[in-house]
Amino acid sequence: ILNVEQSPQSLHVQEGDSTNFTCSFPSSNFYALHWYRWETAKSPEALFVMTLNGDEKKKGRISATLNTKEGYSYLYIKGSQPEDSATYLCAYDRGSTLGRLYFGRGTQLTVWP
Amino acid sequence: ETGVTQTPRHLVMGMTNKKSLKCEQHLGHNAMYWYKQSAKKPLELMFVYNFKEQTENNSVPSRFSPECPNSSHLFLHLHTLQPEDSALYLCASSQEGRLAGGVDTQYFGPGTRLTVL
Repeated sequence: ILNVEQSPQSLHVQEGDSTNFTCSFPSSNFYALHWYRWETAKSPEALFVMTLNGDEKKKGRISATLNTKEGYSYLYIKGSQPEDSATYLCAYDRGSTLGRLYFGRGTQLTVWP
Repeated sequence: ETGVTQTPRHLVMGMTNKKSLKCEQHLGHNAMYWYKQSAKKPLELMFVYNFKEQTENNSVPSRFSPECPNSSHLFLHLHTLQPEDSALYLCASSQEGRLAGGVDTQYFGPGTRLTVL
């Protein structure tokens, strides 16, 4: 069984707050780390794919960092807005030919106006 | 329609019913996936199809039967399900399931919420 852990499980912040959450994964056999944003009743939306240790990706107010040696990635949201409310999933990719991903349970973010 | 679509969005069925879930991708991808998400659990891979061939069956009970008639369509046929099979079923597609190397992003549909009575 391959464990991908996300913390916290849920997070409630005020509009304008900055926030961050963590994805932990096995440091061995690392190939890539995927972040998805999943709004209720919608499709999970791909945010980032990260492959290199020390990688940092940014999309608007959302950014992510990667540490493959210690097996963690952080997702940051600067100046949270109510539309950022969603579940944020990470998925560990071992590079199998089948494209198999191992998902965490997600962090559910609620941003209050 | 763009992206990955799934029908129906909600399905309620009895344990003796037979029903099918449909997934269609409009992205020109060659790999398609079925995932299951039960309450409080991570997304769990069920089946993978690459170029219409099933390449993975993740120890899924035979009451779930996938079908991939072409690279744009994927079905999940359901037969004599149990109440514990109630879950959200998500379909995804990707360019080629990483046959040629590189990183293969999966694109998801909105899911079918299945309730088995």
